[in-house]
Amino acid sequence: KNEVEQSPQNLTAQEGEFITINCSYSVGISALHWLQQHPGGGIVSLFMLSSGKKKHGRLIATINIQEKHSSLHITASHPRDSAVYICAVSGSGGSNYKLTFGKGTLLTVNP
Amino acid sequence: NAGVTQTPKFRVLKTGQSMTLLCAQDMNHEYMYWYRQDPGMGLRLIHYSVGEGTTAKGEVPDGYNVSRLKKQNFLLGLESAAPSQTSVYFCASINGQGASRNTEAFFGQGTRLTVV
Repeated sequence: KNEVEQSPQNLTAQEGEFITINCSYSVGISALHWLQQHPGGGIVSLFMLSSGKKKHGRLIATINIQEKHSSLHITASHPRDSAVYICAVSGSGGSNYKLTFGKGTLLTVNP
Repeated sequence: NAGVTQTPKFRVLKTGQSMTLLCAQDMNHEYMYWYRQDPGMGLRLIHYSVGEGTTAKGEVPDGYNVSRLKKQNFLLGLESAAPSQTSVYFCASINGQGASRNTEAFFGQGTRLTVV
């Protein structure tokens, strides 16, 4: 069973700061997902990646397959970025349809 | 294209009552899932389906049943609700088809269930 660990659990930042959230996993995967959940809201997929780096606006996601580690970066953070960010991994081979989730990182960006 | 739609969005049940949550996706996805989300626990898999007519147990299946009679719908049933089933329930779907077996996940908006 894959274990997914996120750090930090909670993060408070001032508007404009550069944010990094980390995710590590224990066994091989076919893909890693970064998800966003606003308080009381639904879950939205931000990125799905299996290698390298992806960028969407102020968000950047990177993955290092050898080190089993991924980071989500937010540049020039804004109060509307306040949300829970969840890392999830898809298993490899015949288990690629199974998602294992981290417990999430609660980000609060103060104006 | 509505994506993944869950109904209802909110529900209050008395202990012992039954209900069915509906998840519908219009993306022709093979894989569908039901999760529950509890504070400090993250998302936990209740049941899942890898195709029409198939279902399988996840991490926390007790007290729940599911059916996938049509590819686009995945139903989650609570036959006799208990306070421990108070949670937020999320449905998700994944394509899972083709050479790349696309694993991008799409989630419903969630169902907030309270059992009193």
